[in-house]
Amino acid sequence: GAVVSQHPSRVICKSGTSVKIECRSLDFQATTMFWYRQFPKQSLMLMATSNEGSKATYEQGVEKDKFLINHASLTLSTLTVTSAHPEDSSFYICSARDRRVGYAEAFFGQGTRLTVV
Amino acid sequence: GQQLNQSPQSMFIQEGEDVSMNCTSSSIFNTWLWYKQDPGEGPVLLIALYKAGELTSNGRLTAQFGITRKDSFLNISASIPSDVGIYFCAGTLIQGAQKLVFGQGTRLTINP
Repeated sequence: GAVVSQHPSRVICKSGTSVKIECRSLDFQATTMFWYRQFPKQSLMLMATSNEGSKATYEQGVEKDKFLINHASLTLSTLTVTSAHPEDSSFYICSARDRRVGYAEAFFGQGTRLTVV
Repeated sequence: GQQLNQSPQSMFIQEGEDVSMNCTSSSIFNTWLWYKQDPGEGPVLLIALYKAGELTSNGRLTAQFGITRKDSFLNISASIPSDVGIYFCAGTLIQGAQKLVFGQGTRLTINP
């Protein structure tokens, strides 16, 4: 299947700093990428939908100025958590849709465990 | 928002047993997807379903798209230790819709 690579897998940062997470589709072009947040023992919560070359669409309640998303190419989307605080600590996961396969199939990255201290 | 009701929330079974889990909704779905997530990892796509009534297998896994388009089930036959994990159903509500709606997940634990 299609491969999505997410980096870093783990990051610890100090409160008030910013953290960038990268999501790359390795063997396909992804016009649409998605960013999720997952709390322990819970399902995935969609944060935003990212389309290449355009502004991301954020879900209700997600602060777009805090969670900056850039989808500058067909293979790369980035999520920047700005001025991170301990409550931002979570598991962040990206996914991408391969236009060559069924339109609904989305492939996920490995996830990034963010800890803000 | 729209929700998928996934059940059971957790299962504790013996190795070798068959497993069945399902997702239901009050809304009509155009696509059903089943994912498995291991601890600390992203979900991995297991099966994708696109047509009402469709029955698809992937090894020991079998999933079906309900005729009413409001439900789907996933069966795992002859469970093995590596089947342990969290299984999520997901779907799209409108044809061509970008967003996936996720179920709450089923946590599978297997006793050897």
